[in-house]
Amino acid sequence: DAMVIQNPRYQVTQFGKPVTLSCSQTLNHNVMYWYQQKSSQAPKLLFHYYDKDFNNEADTPDNFQSRRPNTSFCFLDIRSPGLGDAAMYLCATSRNLVFDEAFFGQGTRLTVV
Amino acid sequence: AQSVTQLGSHVSVSEGALVLLRCNYSSSVPPYLFWYVQYPNQGLQLLLKYTSAATLVKGINGFEAEFKKSETSFHLTKPSAHMSDAAEYFCAVTTNTGNQFYFGTGTSLTVIP
Repeated sequence: DAMVIQNPRYQVTQFGKPVTLSCSQTLNHNVMYWYQQKSSQAPKLLFHYYDKDFNNEADTPDNFQSRRPNTSFCFLDIRSPGLGDAAMYLCATSRNLVFDEAFFGQGTRLTVV
Repeated sequence: AQSVTQLGSHVSVSEGALVLLRCNYSSSVPPYLFWYVQYPNQGLQLLLKYTSAATLVKGINGFEAEFKKSETSFHLTKPSAHMSDAAEYFCAVTTNTGNQFYFGTGTSLTVIP
């Protein structure tokens, strides 16, 4: 059974139109991460939540926001998507912040038209 | 700060041949090291991890990796490649005081029939 579920798997959005990607987990993990992965590149951490504590990476654009209403769900909001935001977005969870294995969802591939 | 370097962005092997994917790390404190595999349009799946126990780590699908502190390496090997091993492989590092995984740029493995 899938433990980290991302919806939708594929998302097409218009330039400048807000879009929300969702992630849910059944692992009851404390930490949820959002990574951006562009073609042929390594995943790049955007931000993470430790429980309700939000931690934004210094170079994450303001255009990207996140919400975690409860332990199970986390959302990635892109306020005004640009063509450069087209990428695979990966959600991951881990029990704790450090050295634990991270469990990844299957990703959402975002296309901006 | 921690980082990993994956030598060789593309590796091709014949079916049945040895697979060797290279990863070197940089860390000022003892590292925890991971190998993940990513199939097209999928999330990342953990192959194996080193967290300061045995230096030779066995993972899923017949893969193993050896932590060599003197060489700051954590190379991934498999004695005999299968067609199903064709995928992107990422090495990642964190530490017991870190708050994220740092990924390498990935190695794309092609298996030739």
